[in-house]
Amino acid sequence: ELKVEQNPLFLSMQEGKNYTIYCNYSTTSDRLYWYRQDPGKSLESLFVLLSNGAVKQEGRLMASLDTKARLSTLHITAAVHDLSATYFCAGNSQGAQKLVFGQGTRLTINP
Amino acid sequence: SAVISQKPSRDICQRGTSLTIQCQVDSQVTMMFWYRQQPGQSLTLIATANQGSEATYESGFVIDKFPISRPNLTFSTLTVSNMSPEDSSIYLCSAGRGRNTGELFFGEGSRLTVL
Repeated sequence: ELKVEQNPLFLSMQEGKNYTIYCNYSTTSDRLYWYRQDPGKSLESLFVLLSNGAVKQEGRLMASLDTKARLSTLHITAAVHDLSATYFCAGNSQGAQKLVFGQGTRLTINP
Repeated sequence: SAVISQKPSRDICQRGTSLTIQCQVDSQVTMMFWYRQQPGQSLTLIATANQGSEATYESGFVIDKFPISRPNLTFSTLTVSNMSPEDSSIYLCSAGRGRNTGELFFGEGSRLTVL
C-alpha cells in the first residue's frame, strides 16, 4: 500500500529566502503530483512529474522527482508572501489513477 | 483542464439527516473520485465513482454510509447518510481523463457542518 510522507509539516520563513519541501513515498508510484491549497479553497494543480529525473518549474516553484530514491522535492526560490498556502504532494499506485496524499506542508511566508 | 462544479458549496446539517452532494464536470472524463478532508487534515479517498456500476470504496468507507452514483461520464453524486458531527468535513470531487494524461482536477469542495 502506497504511503506518502511530507516534511516539514509546518514551515515559517521570511520573504526572499529559499527552502525545500520533501515528499517521500513508500512504493513505486507512476507519477508524483504537487498541489496548492489556500485556506477555505480547493486544490490547485501545480505540477505532475511523470518520470525519473523530471524537473518542472513555474515562477518561484520548482519540483523534481527521483524515483530511485522515491523522493520528490518542491523548491521555493526567493519566497514571497503570496506563496503562503498548504502544499500537498500525492502519488498513485502503479496502474491506478486514484491519489494518495501526503499530510501537507503549511507554509507561512513573513514579510 | 477540466472545470468541476460542486453543489452545495457548504451546508449546515442536523444529526441523523442525509445530504447529497453533486459533482458536474464540464467535459467527459474517465475517472471520478470522492475525497474527504477533515478540518486541518490531508485528503482521504472515499471511493472511485464508476460509471454505470457500483462505486469502489476504500478501507473504512462503506456504501450504506456514503452511497455514490455516476450515471454518465460527467456527473456524480455522493450522499452522506445518517450524519453525525464526525462527518463534518470538506468533501471534494476529483476527475481525470485517464492514466496517460496524468492530471487530476478538483472541485471547489462542499463544506459540511453537522450539529
